[in-house]
Amino acid sequence: GAVVSQHPSWVICKSGTSVKIECRSLDFQATTMFWYRQFPKQSLMLMATSNEGSKATYEQGVEKDKFLINHASLTLSTLTVTSAHPEDSSFYICSARGQGDDTTNEKLFFGSGTQLSVL
Amino acid sequence: GENVEQHPSTLSVQEGDSAVIKCTYSDSASNYFPWYKQELGKGPQLIIDIRSNVGEKKDQRIAVTLNKTAKHFSLHITETQPEDSAVYFCAASIVAFGNEKLTFGTGTRLTIIP
Repeated sequence: GAVVSQHPSWVICKSGTSVKIECRSLDFQATTMFWYRQFPKQSLMLMATSNEGSKATYEQGVEKDKFLINHASLTLSTLTVTSAHPEDSSFYICSARGQGDDTTNEKLFFGSGTQLSVL
Repeated sequence: GENVEQHPSTLSVQEGDSAVIKCTYSDSASNYFPWYKQELGKGPQLIIDIRSNVGEKKDQRIAVTLNKTAKHFSLHITETQPEDSAVYFCAASIVAFGNEKLTFGTGTRLTIIP
């Protein structure tokens, strides 16, 4: 259980285009999902907290108009990188908090990540 | 906010030996400490976690210890195997209302030498 599916796993796009990344909780409902960005050989940097049915909460320094987050259902959150530029190239990872008994409801499960390359 | 430091940044261990990775945290209110393993090009995978009401937890070759007084926790891998080679991240959070953020350490690149 507690599987998080993320698509696509990699994407190459031209500068100026928009890219959408999907994150799905396959066997549980996730009222909260998180989006991270990771540069090579670095740790995960939290970008935003995505709450089902409400606006996402962005971390300081993250442009909300640049990184659009939609969490329209309890199993799906999307991150859209708008007007992508080469500096947006990075590894993007989503995560969702498991639900169930007390032993799982604090566990965070991650998707497999999306490598974005902007030319 | 919470600050998590992780050491060492790289670690090479002979196959069969033990590996230890250490983390310290700053916020005494933190009560949940997971460890993640990340392989190249993949998302982090939860390997073990511990809550603040427990001092030690073990799962086969993996164990985690927590010292709340000193605010540090450690990952221990025994009888290391080549497939243990990966980047390991520690993290800390305060679990209370269900949407708390994890603060990650900077990662340790573990290499198991055959």
